[in-house]
Amino acid sequence: SQKIEQNSEALNIQEGKTATLTCNYTNYSPAYLQWYRQDPGRGPVFLLLIRENEKEKRKERLKVTFDTTLKQSLFHITASQPADSATYLCALDRMDSNYQLIWGAGTKLIIKP
Amino acid sequence: DVKVTQSSRYLVKRTGEKVFLECVQDMDHENMFWYRQDPGLGLRLIYFSYDVKMKEKGDIPEGYSVSREKKERFSLILESASTNQTSMYLCASRPFGIREYFGPGTRLLVL
Repeated sequence: SQKIEQNSEALNIQEGKTATLTCNYTNYSPAYLQWYRQDPGRGPVFLLLIRENEKEKRKERLKVTFDTTLKQSLFHITASQPADSATYLCALDRMDSNYQLIWGAGTKLIIKP
Repeated sequence: DVKVTQSSRYLVKRTGEKVFLECVQDMDHENMFWYRQDPGLGLRLIYFSYDVKMKEKGDIPEGYSVSREKKERFSLILESASTNQTSMYLCASRPFGIREYFGPGTRLLVL
């Protein structure tokens, strides 16, 4: 079955540095992969989507890479700020459904001033 | 601006009670989803609906049912609440596309 893994340990980064989060998956070649941000007690908010034929996608200080050989996506936040502190979730399309996504458990990012 | 609302932010219920969680979206999206989120487990799909009166089971439908009588409204029903249904419940909608739009979530405590 499909599996998606994110680092369960919180990531502590100094303000101004680049934060890099990892999303690994197995047993599937997804057509696309998405990243969401979730603040405590809130629903996730969409950030970026990258398709299987794209190596990299950027949006302001955010960058996502997608390595289909390694079955891995990296999510980068450059010039990180305390306001970037949140949990970041990755999700990918399911091989057995046109409608559903499979979700990682998320990585908590803490940016220290 | 896209909006998904959920009927309650916090809910406390007793074991055996019937619980209704309601979700409304104002974007005319075809697809709507109910997830539960527990620490370390990520989002798990309970049910989804791709059209009015249409529903499909997700990964963990046991103990839950859903209703979609109107396109904008998707209800989750816990027929007889149990303590293991204590969780964060998230509703999402999606147009005929890919990204999902989430509501603020309902934190349910079953005593």
